[in-house]
Amino acid sequence: QSVLTQPPSASGTPGQRVTISCSGSTSNIGSYYIYWYQQLPGTAPKLLIYRNNQRPSGVPDRFSGSKSGTSASLAVSGLRSEDEADYYCSAWDDSLSAWVFGGGTKLTVL
Amino acid sequence: QVQLVQSGAEVKKPGASVKVSCKASGYTFTSYYIHWVRRAPGQGLEWMGLINPSADSTTYAQKFQGRVTMTRDTSARTVYMELSSLRSEDTAVFYCARSLAARSHFDYWGQGTLVTVSS
Repeated sequence: QSVLTQPPSASGTPGQRVTISCSGSTSNIGSYYIYWYQQLPGTAPKLLIYRNNQRPSGVPDRFSGSKSGTSASLAVSGLRSEDEADYYCSAWDDSLSAWVFGGGTKLTVL
Repeated sequence: QVQLVQSGAEVKKPGASVKVSCKASGYTFTSYYIHWVRRAPGQGLEWMGLINPSADSTTYAQKFQGRVTMTRDTSARTVYMELSSLRSEDTAVFYCARSLAARSHFDYWGQGTLVTVSS
């Protein structure tokens, strides 16, 4: 059971906007930045969003992140087939003195 | 360019140990922390711990305390993760990843190393 809670799956059709939620507590999301990683099938995870809502160079602006209190969300707009992947939220947890991840959300483009 | 290149796949018997390497290039080795994260089949990502190559200090997730050892060889620009007393539940792909600070994001990842534990 993951410390951060994500829906196991999400889906949308090409061009649609999809959001993925991530719920935590005051010891993690409530106190620290949230990060999002994308893992395409058969590849290593890739940083998608850092410090709640910042995109690394090369990440399309179709991806956006937000945080409020102990929850966060990742939005993908203009959905494309290449967005099919597993998405993970992550934050430092003070109570555990460890990095924690959500269980991952499998995004399917219908 | 920044690269983290990991050692190849391993097959181990229960009770054995495995040592996975992560060779860094394209940046100042001692300026970044290296983390180890694993993903078991059908599971999500799980953080195992980190090493500060500069100070040679480590922080391990409580779950792996006593079973994991992370070391570094600065001359070889390589970090190692050894996991002992392997059991079938340790079958996973293990990744190394770097961060600028212990509580900062993982901006580059290794390609992953599959460790299979089977009798």
